[in-house]
Amino acid sequence: SQELEQSPQSLIVQEGKNLTINCTSSKTLYGLYWYKQKYGEGLIFLMMLQKGGEEKSHEKITAKLDEKKQQSSLHITASQPSHAGIYLCGADSPGNTGKLIFGQGTTLQVKP
Amino acid sequence: NAGVMQNPRHLVRRRGQEARLRCSPMKGHSHVYWYRQLPEEGLKFMVYLQKENIIDESGMPKERFSAEFPKEGPSILRIQQVVRGDSAAYFCASSSYDRGTEAFFGQGTRLTVV
Repeated sequence: SQELEQSPQSLIVQEGKNLTINCTSSKTLYGLYWYKQKYGEGLIFLMMLQKGGEEKSHEKITAKLDEKKQQSSLHITASQPSHAGIYLCGADSPGNTGKLIFGQGTTLQVKP
Repeated sequence: NAGVMQNPRHLVRRRGQEARLRCSPMKGHSHVYWYRQLPEEGLKFMVYLQKENIIDESGMPKERFSAEFPKEGPSILRIQQVVRGDSAAYFCASSSYDRGTEAFFGQGTRLTVV
């Protein structure tokens, strides 16, 4: 079965610093999704990547999918306290059912 | 267009009671997915439903758990005879088709079994 591993598990950065979160899959990714979760709340969709080498940006967040489609990274530029939360990567599972397999999450704290 | 609506947001049940969690998908969405998030763990898929059909229930515990998505009304995740280990956040997601589009998540229902 496919597994997603995120690194690091937790991260504390000073406001204004850049950071990167990685998501590595045990199998080829057919669709990779990044979500953000505030503690005690639901998941907010950030970005979806499907093609090898694809890169998408929204405001200060950039997500990339490597050419081999087994690893994705999420990069935040000039972090702000509003970026704090849990970042989850999710992948389409084999079988075309639409269900997602998630990594264990990366908890980000941004110190003002 | 309201998002995915889950209720209640918080639910407390005593051991042995039943828990009913409701999910109303986004308007126009016919695919519903339920996930469970245990403390200190990631989201785990439970069940995938379309109207009146269970498509994939490979993540559902074999006993005490059931789900439905009737022709009219919300999707229901039902847990019978709850135990402490059922305490978790339960999330519902909906999408318009089964691959290639993002699934929108509800705010979740936090179940606490005392």
